[in-house]
Order: sequence, then C-alpha cells, then structure tokens
Amino acid sequence: DGGITQSPKYLFRKEGQNVTLSCEQNLNHDAMYWYRQDPGQGLRLIYYSQIVNDFQKGDIAEGYSVSREKKESFPLTVTSAQKNPTAFYLCASSAGRDTIHEQYFGPGTRLTVT
Amino acid sequence: GDSVTQMEGPVTLSEEAFLTINCTYTATGYPSLFWYVQYPGEGLQLLLKATKADDKGSNKGFEATYRKETTSFHLEKGSVQVSDSAVYFCALPDSGGSNYKLTFGKGTLLTVNP
Repeated sequence: DGGITQSPKYLFRKEGQNVTLSCEQNLNHDAMYWYRQDPGQGLRLIYYSQIVNDFQKGDIAEGYSVSREKKESFPLTVTSAQKNPTAFYLCASSAGRDTIHEQYFGPGTRLTVT
Repeated sequence: GDSVTQMEGPVTLSEEAFLTINCTYTATGYPSLFWYVQYPGEGLQLLLKATKADDKGSNKGFEATYRKETTSFHLEKGSVQVSDSAVYFCALPDSGGSNYKLTFGKGTLLTVNP
C-alpha cells in the first residue's frame, strides 16, 4: 500500500542532543513537508521541498535542518539550537500541480526532550 | 496575510446530533478551501475540499459550502457518530510567494458520546 512512514512513533532525547526524524513516502510525490503540532496551536510549517535536492524554510525553521537527497525521503534534524523541541512532528507529501494542496500525512513522531 | 479562523473547541455532542464547525478566512482572491481531520494518535487526512465559490465539498456525510460573500467554509454533518470524534482543521493555500504552502486553522476538537 502507498503511504507515508514516520519512525519512530515516540522518541526521547536529552537536552543538547541532535535528533533525526525519519520520513519516507512511496507515493511518488514530488513535494514533501514537515510540520510541528503543539496543543492549541494547529500546524506550523517547518520546512518544505518541492523537488529533490531543493528545500525552503517554512514559518518556524530556526533550530531545524533537512535534506532531500532522494525523492522518497525527507529527514528532519532537530538540533540543540531548537529552544523548545518537545512536540508532535508530522511529515506530509503532495503530488502534481493540480493537487499540490492535497497533502497526505504520516502518522507522526512525538518527540520528548528532557 | 492569509489566515483561517475556526470556532474554538472543544465541541461535545451526543450521537446523532447535528454538527457545525465554523470556519472563516482572509485571503487574496478566491482560493481553494479544505477541511482536514485528525483521528486520535494519527496524522491528518483530507476530508473534503471546494475549489471555487458556491462549490460544495462532501465526504463521509460531511459537507461544507464555499461562501465568498461571508468568506466562510463551515463544516456540517446531519448526524454524528462516535467514530467522528477527532480534531478538524480548516485550511487554505498560501497566496504569497509560495504556492506549496497550506495555512491551517488551530483545529476544533470534536467528541461524540454514545
């Protein structure tokens, strides 16, 4: 079945450590996205990528980094510079020009930093 | 900039009750409008969409009509079920420099009791 895989579902890290969240899709979608979800704040866009080897900052990119070396993969690194990293992180993808806003989401990774 | 305002939750209903979740937007022109749903512990799923004024999107018994006069896209369902318990997000595309971004409302938590 086609879809988006995020792993792990739960992740625990100590403060000061970098951590990388995995996102893989087998939908053959060109565009991929990372969002952060906090209670009562909806979704906020961290980074997005329209095509392989290209990505742009979203609204809250500080303290995060991404790479897009393969079409199916878009890992997110939460660095020690991110001041409040504990959150639910969602990866999404979308297809061609006519459906670019119909985003498919993964199940999310809940990151807890102590 | 573009924005979406949803009614604040939580909303608690009994099974078979009528549901309305209000959504109003501010945007340049007449963008497509979307409702996404997030079931507990999962990522978001596209529920329905409308691409132009007066369009009605529908899916799984839910409906929403794109009303440009009132800049609204309220979500309705005639008879809710326990399985409809979820968080509902209204969204619209960014009309600024990037055509790939979605702006989400803060979400409305719906709980349906048997």
